[in-house]
Amino acid sequence: DTAVSQTPKYLVTQMGNDKSIKCEQNLGHDTMYWYKQDSKKFLKIMFSYNNKELIINETVPNRFSPKSPDKAHLNLHINSLELGDSAVYFCASSRPAGASGSFYNEQFFGPGTRLTVL
Amino acid sequence: AQSVTQPDIHITVSEGASLELRCNYSYGATPYLFWYVQSPGQGLQLLLKYFSGDTLVQGIKGFEAEFKRSQSSFNLRKPSVHWSDAAEYFCAVGATGGSYIPTFGRGTSLIVHP
Repeated sequence: DTAVSQTPKYLVTQMGNDKSIKCEQNLGHDTMYWYKQDSKKFLKIMFSYNNKELIINETVPNRFSPKSPDKAHLNLHINSLELGDSAVYFCASSRPAGASGSFYNEQFFGPGTRLTVL
Repeated sequence: AQSVTQPDIHITVSEGASLELRCNYSYGATPYLFWYVQSPGQGLQLLLKYFSGDTLVQGIKGFEAEFKRSQSSFNLRKPSVHWSDAAEYFCAVGATGGSYIPTFGRGTSLIVHP
């Protein structure tokens, strides 16, 4: 069973287009995240949701809009794609901070979506 | 704010040799520390974590890491590397308070020669 899944795995598109990446987790976690990994493998947090509510938005352009229809899903919609948006996008999930007596809980990552903007 | 440095961008070892990947952190109190591994084309997977207690932490796949407060380090070790260990390794640090989202280092790419 795939714990955190993302679709599509690869996405090639033209500048100016709008695209979405879907993420689903079947771990029963309350917290979900989107990360961007650039060509040098640097991993940067973009958004974090807890129980369908946005708790972190790390200076991401407002062309990026996450949507959480329920606790198991956190989709990422990107408007007016730019060349600099080319990267690998990872979805992740975890138990919320404070669960099981720990502030930090293991994050489970999806396989990533490689976005290429031409 | 906390920060983490992985000084080595690439490390090359021969199969069967021992391995040590370096991680240094900057944080005033005792941090939460993690090592994650990213195999080619895959997402990250947790190898081990340190919150408190015994400073030598055992993880999956035969890895261990040692927390050294005096050196602000949390180096990852493995006594004998297998070809399947070739991957990107990320150290991450978390602070008490704030968002409780760890800060990741830039990663170390491990190359294993047969």
